[in-house]
Amino acid sequence: EVQLVESGGGLVQPGGSLRLSCAASGFTFRFYSMSWVRQAPGKGLEWVAYITTTSTTIEYADSVKGRLTISRDNAKSSLYLQMSSLRDEDTAIYYCARGSGSFLGDLWGQGTQVTVSS
Amino acid sequence: DIQLTQSPSSVSASVGDRVIITCRASQGISSWLAWYQQKPGKAPKLLIFDASTLQSGVPARFSGSGFGTDFTLTISSLQPEDFATYYCQQANNFPYTFGQGTRLEIK
Repeated sequence: EVQLVESGGGLVQPGGSLRLSCAASGFTFRFYSMSWVRQAPGKGLEWVAYITTTSTTIEYADSVKGRLTISRDNAKSSLYLQMSSLRDEDTAIYYCARGSGSFLGDLWGQGTQVTVSS
Repeated sequence: DIQLTQSPSSVSASVGDRVIITCRASQGISSWLAWYQQKPGKAPKLLIFDASTLQSGVPARFSGSGFGTDFTLTISSLQPEDFATYYCQQANNFPYTFGQGTRLEIK
């Protein structure tokens, strides 16, 4: 089955760290660029980070630059988001998405909840 | 950053109605626009990319048009499963941005 499955979310205190993972299956992961997108409670979609097939190009939203780091391991068909210096406003459902040059995501994971609270 | 403004923010309609949602970009984005549908508690689903190309498996009652700064998503005859929130998204340059969403409700 073609799918993306996120994991690693949870409750973390402000200033803390968390590492999200996204496991891909059913397709050739190394052929696709990937993104992370988040959605705060009751809010719209916000693109967070992007990485190309061989990690040569990486882009971030200004709101996360310097605190969140996207990476991938093509041998493991996995995408990661290392999150540090977390803030209350980082509380959201985080989705990984498979992309192309024309769109952010034609395949999305089910999402993983990150809650930043003391 | 490119701002995307959707209108309306919400709309009530009945099964069988034709609905048009618009998305205006703050600067020209050629045809680099996609539309997504999101239902409560679910991940977004890609409907249309390149402004007017229907994603595989998406019903033909969905269509998109536009170029430059003005785009539309049209649902020709609403079905019960179409009641959801719709987002436009630009892929012209980084940062990728989304519109604020249009909530489509049952009248």
